[in-house]
Amino acid sequence: GAVVSQHPSWVICKSGTSVKIECRSLDFQATTMFWYRQFPKQSLMLMATSNEGSKATYEQGVEKDKFLINHASLTLSTLTVTSAHPEDSSFYICSASLLAGTETQYFGPGTRLLVL
Amino acid sequence: QKEVEQDPGPLSVPEGAIVSLNCTYSNSAFQYFMWYRQYSRKGPELLMYTYSSGNKEDGRFTAQVDKSSKYISLFIRDSQPSDSATYLCAMSRFPNAGGTSYGKLTFGQGTILTVHP
Repeated sequence: GAVVSQHPSWVICKSGTSVKIECRSLDFQATTMFWYRQFPKQSLMLMATSNEGSKATYEQGVEKDKFLINHASLTLSTLTVTSAHPEDSSFYICSASLLAGTETQYFGPGTRLLVL
Repeated sequence: QKEVEQDPGPLSVPEGAIVSLNCTYSNSAFQYFMWYRQYSRKGPELLMYTYSSGNKEDGRFTAQVDKSSKYISLFIRDSQPSDSATYLCAMSRFPNAGGTSYGKLTFGQGTILTVHP
């Protein structure tokens, strides 16, 4: 149980285009979903916390107009990187917390984004 | 000073060795402690989850939490080459007063472990 999927697993796009990444909890309802980015050989950096039906809470320094988050249901959250630039190239990972309120997060497999 | 400190390694051990991974933290509000394993180009996988001080064992893995020292450990017995990965400690506070899970995790930097045959 507690499986989280992400789609796509990797994407290459041209500078200036927008990219949407989906995060789904497959076998549980997630009260909260989180979006992280990770640069090579570095730890995960939390970008935003997303609750179903409400606006996402962004971490300091993360541009909310550039990284649009939509949490439409208890099993789906999307991250859209708008007007992507090469510096946005990174590994984006989502996670989800169980509805029961545990503090455990289950992570998706990640999406590798390369902006040319 | 970072809230969570973890030696990035790299750590290289022979197969069968006992591996000890550690994290220290500065915020006494942390109550939940987790260890994740991350293989290259994959998402983190939850290994161990503990609440407050004490030990927890699961197969070859043992997690220890010492809140008085603000120190947590993960021990891997009989290490295998398949254990080669980056190990991340993570911790979080209690949920907010409304009862919903806040769940924001603070991660250590991660320790790169290689177990060679």
